[in-house]
Amino acid sequence: EPEVTQTPSHQVTQMGQEVILRCVPISNHLYFYWYRQILGQKVEFLVSFYNNEISEKSEIFDDQFSVERPDGSNFTLKIRSTKLEDSAMYFCASTGVEKLFFGSGTQLSVL
Amino acid sequence: QQQVKQSPQSLIVQKGGISIINCAYENTAFDYFPWYQQFPGKGPALLIAIRPDVSEKKEGRFTISFNKSAKQFSLHIMDSQPGDSATYFCAASDRGSNDYKLTFGKGTLLTVNP
Repeated sequence: EPEVTQTPSHQVTQMGQEVILRCVPISNHLYFYWYRQILGQKVEFLVSFYNNEISEKSEIFDDQFSVERPDGSNFTLKIRSTKLEDSAMYFCASTGVEKLFFGSGTQLSVL
Repeated sequence: QQQVKQSPQSLIVQKGGISIINCAYENTAFDYFPWYQQFPGKGPALLIAIRPDVSEKKEGRFTISFNKSAKQFSLHIMDSQPGDSATYFCAASDRGSNDYKLTFGKGTLLTVNP
């Protein structure tokens, strides 16, 4: 089965630093998403991306967050100035139409 | 109104038994109800999904029951196996707006004892 690939699997950063989480969606997919899961809590929608622009974003996705599809294969989530409360597992997901595929996630730890 | 409430938080079942996980939603615009299975260190994987035009959907040992009037849906795992031990999330979305802007429940940790 095709896979969504995320790198790195773990990222440790200092508060206030910028981080970029990277994702390679499934090649023929057109819709891309970022979700996050704080330890022990539910998975939460952050943002959806289609046709090179954000189609919807949640309240969590404030000005510190941005997404980009810099080339034909990568999809990135940038956090400009990380806060302690940004510590979470971040999942990238993509879909063609029928099924949403999630990556294995990047565990972000902000110290 | 966007919440999806899931219960129980954890569930222990003997091998061969039936596992039942319940979810309730409030937003009547929701029209897509998937269940995801998540193993440690992995992302959620779609298990089975249902739309409100049917009351039940079965795929192998997994069945979704849907009650539109009560705004509830449940996952039944028949003949539960130790390999089914995982966290299960129900979710819902309004496919009319953003196809996969999913609202997740808090998850159920299922343990199937051999």
